[in-house]
Amino acid sequence: NAGVTQTPKFQVLKTGQSMTLQCAQDMNHEYMSWYRQDPGMGLRLIHYSVGAGITDQGEVPNGYNVSRSTTEDFPLRLLSAAPSQTSVYFCASTLSTGNSPLHFGNGTRLTVT
Amino acid sequence: AQSVTQLGSHVSVSEGALVLLRCNYSSSVPPYLFWYVQYPNQGLQLLLKYTSAATLVKGINGFEAEFKKSETSFHLTKPSAHMSDAAEYFCAVRPRGSNFGNEKLTFGTGTRLTIIP
Repeated sequence: NAGVTQTPKFQVLKTGQSMTLQCAQDMNHEYMSWYRQDPGMGLRLIHYSVGAGITDQGEVPNGYNVSRSTTEDFPLRLLSAAPSQTSVYFCASTLSTGNSPLHFGNGTRLTVT
Repeated sequence: AQSVTQLGSHVSVSEGALVLLRCNYSSSVPPYLFWYVQYPNQGLQLLLKYTSAATLVKGINGFEAEFKKSETSFHLTKPSAHMSDAAEYFCAVRPRGSNFGNEKLTFGTGTRLTIIP
């Protein structure tokens, strides 16, 4: 049981380039989300999904796009990378809400130059 | 909107000493509460969660947290620090209720714990 898998682990982009961060989970979780982690700011929610075909914006959605075509996958797209998007990105999932905890991937460290 | 405050971005304790990491939430209805730990270059791992069954919650690695409604707090403690406890710790909240959008988990800014040999 792999849990939540994120690829790549590291990525360097030039300003203006686009890319997709991949996230897959094998726990049949309905809820998936993307966070970014920046020093002194904790984790901030970018986008989330409560099921296939349903997504919504979080706290910091600008510059990012998501889709959820299957229960397992929840890719995060950077449309035109900017230095302000240099961060560590985490994908997480949970079976339900309430007191169900999030299960996290190991993160993608992105640098935009 | 839900918010959570972690007092002290850095905490240092001696090995064997008490660990106390503070977390306060801001809502009139007590939310679901969680503590996570993040070791270097890893994702976040659940330490414990508050489910309203008991005010004192025991987690992994000897950590526990006490829910105090009157103080809107959920502080994390460990009686005796170990070198392996050095990590960053995050408190997180999720509001109670079933409305769409209540699934979101809001994190505090984190506390980096250093253990002094």
